[in-house]
Amino acid sequence: AQSVTQLDSHVSVSEGTPVLLRCNYSSSYSPSLFWYVQHPNKGLQLLLKYTSAATLVKGINGFEAEFKKSETSFHLTKPSAHMSDAAEYFCVVSESDSWGKLQFGAGTQVVVTP
Amino acid sequence: GEEVAQTPKHLVRGEGQKAKLYCAPIKGHSYVFWYQQVLKNEFKFLISFQNENVFDETGMPKERFSAKCLPNSPCSLEIQATKLEDSAVYFCASSPGRTNQPQHFGDGTRLSIL
Repeated sequence: AQSVTQLDSHVSVSEGTPVLLRCNYSSSYSPSLFWYVQHPNKGLQLLLKYTSAATLVKGINGFEAEFKKSETSFHLTKPSAHMSDAAEYFCVVSESDSWGKLQFGAGTQVVVTP
Repeated sequence: GEEVAQTPKHLVRGEGQKAKLYCAPIKGHSYVFWYQQVLKNEFKFLISFQNENVFDETGMPKERFSAKCLPNSPCSLEIQATKLEDSAVYFCASSPGRTNQPQHFGDGTRLSIL
């Protein structure tokens, strides 16, 4: 069975400061892990994915995430927040035996202040 | 097309009426997934297709929900005899493969049951 826990429901950062969004997962097999972003009234946009290649994954818009199997974590970071980063972020897991269906975390709302 | 296109953007129905939602996947993507987003952050998997064949329907409330993906037509999700609890945003996603492939999401259809 798989599950995803996003440790923060709400993160507030100042523009230009680092962003850290935390995600832990539980998985029976080798998972694929994703981070998606959702802006208001929009669909989900893929930021990055981990699929058992390099453990440090670089994504779009300066985001990156590190897969740590020993800690079952897949935290998302960005060195310098921009106002346009204000959105809802979802950590998502897909098991190799789940026939492709995604399991979503509860989401982290990011607020960026000037 | 290059994007997943969902129509309509908003759909309002009285309780007990029928609702039908449409999704055109990205050209060349053979997998289509439907998800229901309730209470803003709770995503529930409904059903997936490989081309026109149902692949996984473990999330579908079968009594009132049905879905199809026919050749040369948009995929559809139909809800008969809608209930207040069906109010949600319904997302369609497509991908070129089943596992290890990111899913590309449409902007969703907001269904409001009055």
